[in-house]
Amino acid sequence: GAVVSQHPSWVICKSGTSVKIECRSLDFQATTMFWYRQFPKQSLMLMATSNEGSKATYEQGVEKDKFLINHASLTLSTLTVTSAHPEDSSFYICSARQDGPYYEQYFGPGTRLTVT
Amino acid sequence: AQSVSQHNHHVILSEAASLELGCNYSYGGTVNLFWYVQYPGQHLQLLLKYFSGDPLVKGIKGFEAEFIKSKFSFNLRKPSVQWSDTAEYFCAVTPSSGTYKYIFGTGTRLKVLA
Repeated sequence: GAVVSQHPSWVICKSGTSVKIECRSLDFQATTMFWYRQFPKQSLMLMATSNEGSKATYEQGVEKDKFLINHASLTLSTLTVTSAHPEDSSFYICSARQDGPYYEQYFGPGTRLTVT
Repeated sequence: AQSVSQHNHHVILSEAASLELGCNYSYGGTVNLFWYVQYPGQHLQLLLKYFSGDPLVKGIKGFEAEFIKSKFSFNLRKPSVQWSDTAEYFCAVTPSSGTYKYIFGTGTRLKVLA
């Protein structure tokens, strides 16, 4: 149980275009999902907290107009990288938090974005 | 600010050697603690977690970790590593109340030589 999927697993796009990444909790409902960015050989950096039915909460230094997050249902959150640039190339990972006494997060497999 | 430190960035061991990876955090309140593993090309998987109770927690694949509150530490151990343990290991901490956001350590890349 507690499986999280991401789509696509990898994507290549041209500079200036937008890319949408989906994160789904497959077997549980998640009122809260998180989006992380992982640079090569580095740790996960939290970008934003996605709350179902309300606006996302962004971490300091993350441009909300560039990284649009929508959490339209209890099983789906999307991250749209708008007007992508090569410096946005990275590994994006989502997690879904299962409500309960300990609020454990379950992680998706990640999406590799390459902007050319 | 809250932070998590993993002092060992790269560790190379031979099979059957014992493993201990350090994790220290800075946060004044009650925390939940996790160790995750990321095998090459795969997603993060939970090894073990501590919420309360016995500070010595056992996880999957023979891993265990000990929470020492006075030292703000949650070190990961395995008595005898295998080649298949080659992976990156992340310690994560979250406050036990509030936003429950994870704070990750920088990770430790473990290579086990066959």
